[in-house]
Amino acid sequence: AQSVTQPDIHITVSEGASLELRCNYSYGATPYLFWYVQSPGQGLQLLLKYFSGDTLVQGIKGFEAEFKRSQSSFNLRKPSVHWSDAAEYFCAVGVAKMEYGNKLVFGAGTILRVKS
Amino acid sequence: KAGVTQTPRYLIKTRGQQVTLSCSPISGHRSVSWYQQTPGQGLQFLFEYFSETQRNKGNFPGRFSGRQFSNSRSEMNVSTLELGDSALYLCASSRAADRAGGELFFGEGSRLTVL
Repeated sequence: AQSVTQPDIHITVSEGASLELRCNYSYGATPYLFWYVQSPGQGLQLLLKYFSGDTLVQGIKGFEAEFKRSQSSFNLRKPSVHWSDAAEYFCAVGVAKMEYGNKLVFGAGTILRVKS
Repeated sequence: KAGVTQTPRYLIKTRGQQVTLSCSPISGHRSVSWYQQTPGQGLQFLFEYFSETQRNKGNFPGRFSGRQFSNSRSEMNVSTLELGDSALYLCASSRAADRAGGELFFGEGSRLTVL
């Protein structure tokens, strides 16, 4: 079965600093990979997704992520963090098999705090 | 374009009661999934409906059920509520019909508190 690990429960960065959130997945074939963000009291918003092709994907709000098959990783990056980026970030994996439908398996999440 | 709408946003129930949550997907989306989010277990998949048929189901007891109507709107029901059912229940819709692992669009959730 597929699984997702986000090693960092909390991360604090200074405003303007760069950010990298780690995500490792476990799945035997090429997965579909996603990063979602959740602000307090809100649902999840998709930041970016990887299905195939270019391993560096660009998302909304200046985020990007790189798929590294050899490391089973899909880390999220942003060159300069803004205070409004403070939220919880979830990495998720989907399976390219019809019997799985649109089911996603989520990591435990990483809470990002931004200090001014 | 309207997003995914979930009602009610907040509700309080007591143990043993039942609850029904509603989800209206984005227009044109035929897949609706439900997730339970708790501080201890995180985001867990409940089930997915596509064209009124349950396509996939997570590891939850039979007290959790759902259905989808011909207009793609979905409801989930939890019977005989337990304290541990307190959670944020998220609904997500997707356009993907013939391809698995589609992009999900989430609603803001229904916050259920069981006393």
